[in-house]
Amino acid sequence: DADVTQTPRNRITKTGKRIMLECSQTKGHDRMYWYRQDPGLGLQLIYYSFDVKDINKGEISDGYSVSRQAQAKFSLSLESAIPNQTALYFCATSEAGFPNEQFFGPGTRLTVL
Amino acid sequence: QKEVEQDPGPLSVPEGAIVSLNCTYSNSAFQYFMWYRQYSRKGPELLMYTYSSGNKEDGRFTAQVDKSSKYISLFIRDSQPSDSATYLCASRDDSNYQLIWGAGTKLIIKP
Repeated sequence: DADVTQTPRNRITKTGKRIMLECSQTKGHDRMYWYRQDPGLGLQLIYYSFDVKDINKGEISDGYSVSRQAQAKFSLSLESAIPNQTALYFCATSEAGFPNEQFFGPGTRLTVL
Repeated sequence: QKEVEQDPGPLSVPEGAIVSLNCTYSNSAFQYFMWYRQYSRKGPELLMYTYSSGNKEDGRFTAQVDKSSKYISLFIRDSQPSDSATYLCASRDDSNYQLIWGAGTKLIIKP
């Protein structure tokens, strides 16, 4: 079984709709991250959480919100989706300390029409 | 200007060639550097990491950091078609322990 899972894997939605992407992990890591990936731009950090009570904005948090329901679960919401949020979204986890290796889920391909 | 710059490619080379993938970074405080490999329709996976300057070797792969020029390199010897993937470099910002990512270079190894 995969250590980091994401649902759904693919989603097509319309402008203005609310959508939630979910992430679960069985690695026992405290730290979880949400990234988006666009061609030519690499990975951009949306939000990160170092434990259940700790939520931090990343470099591109506008238009997104998150919820850390438990150590193993971290959800990303788009309250009112817009077309420029069309991207590949990845959840990742890591332990604290060196080398801070991040383990990624398989990604969610989101299309906003 | 991004803090970590990487040519997105694609870079196409014949099987067996030596591949050189490169990044530059702007923040002289960066100490930890990583290379991730991402196959199509998959999440990135850590390939190698290095601390400060110097080389690190793992099989056919060598990671090199030159802090004087702020240059990060990944060399692949005897390249194989299975090495075809996108390679992302990353540096760790120790002010918040976040990874700063390059854009990724798409590598194609032709049989």
